[in-house]
Amino acid sequence: QVQLVQSGAEVKKPGASVKVSCKASGYTFTNNDINWVRQATGQGLEWMGWMNPKSGNTGYAQKFQGRVSMTRNKSITTAYMELSSLRSEDTAVYYCARGNDGSSDYWGQGTLVTVSS
Amino acid sequence: QSALTQPASVSGSPGQSITISCTGTASDVAIYNLVSWYQHHPGKAPKLMIYQFIKRPSGVSNRFSGSKSGNTASLTISELQAEDEADYYCYSYAGGDLFVFGTGTKVTVL
Repeated sequence: QVQLVQSGAEVKKPGASVKVSCKASGYTFTNNDINWVRQATGQGLEWMGWMNPKSGNTGYAQKFQGRVSMTRNKSITTAYMELSSLRSEDTAVYYCARGNDGSSDYWGQGTLVTVSS
Repeated sequence: QSALTQPASVSGSPGQSITISCTGTASDVAIYNLVSWYQHHPGKAPKLMIYQFIKRPSGVSNRFSGSKSGNTASLTISELQAEDEADYYCYSYAGGDLFVFGTGTKVTVL
């Protein structure tokens, strides 16, 4: 069965970076994009960007351009999202999701990133 | 790249039908056949309910249906049940390899 398992919660100081991992299993990793979505406390879902595991190509929401990097390691079927220059507003639950036909059909369990001094 | 517009809340009694709208623009919902809907219970991962406007993934109840008119997509939940109480989000391709979510709608079962 398709599964996306994310890394554990993180606490970071303002200005630092965080790297969240997303381990995929149950399907051919290179056949589907990986999308990254976040939800800040009390806010709605926010699309951050996508990464194609086969080519490594990426597309980022304008809001995160220059601050986000989405990569992968095909040998261990794992995708990564790194967000830099963290500020308090980046405190959120971050999700990875498998892209399929313009939607996200399977989701990771979410990773809480807390930014606090 | 602005969020799609949804009503903040919609409510209904058990057994009733409700409809959630999702209004985009001529640059997203109107021209791409790639709108999906997600159910999100607090503390859990979002769940895909509808994709490509009207298609239902395997395992999703047929009480959930989608439609489109112009630049507005809609999600209808029929025979409302207590378990349907959640937040719902629409999501659309917006061109240029970009996607956008709706503002979200809280569904309350009275």
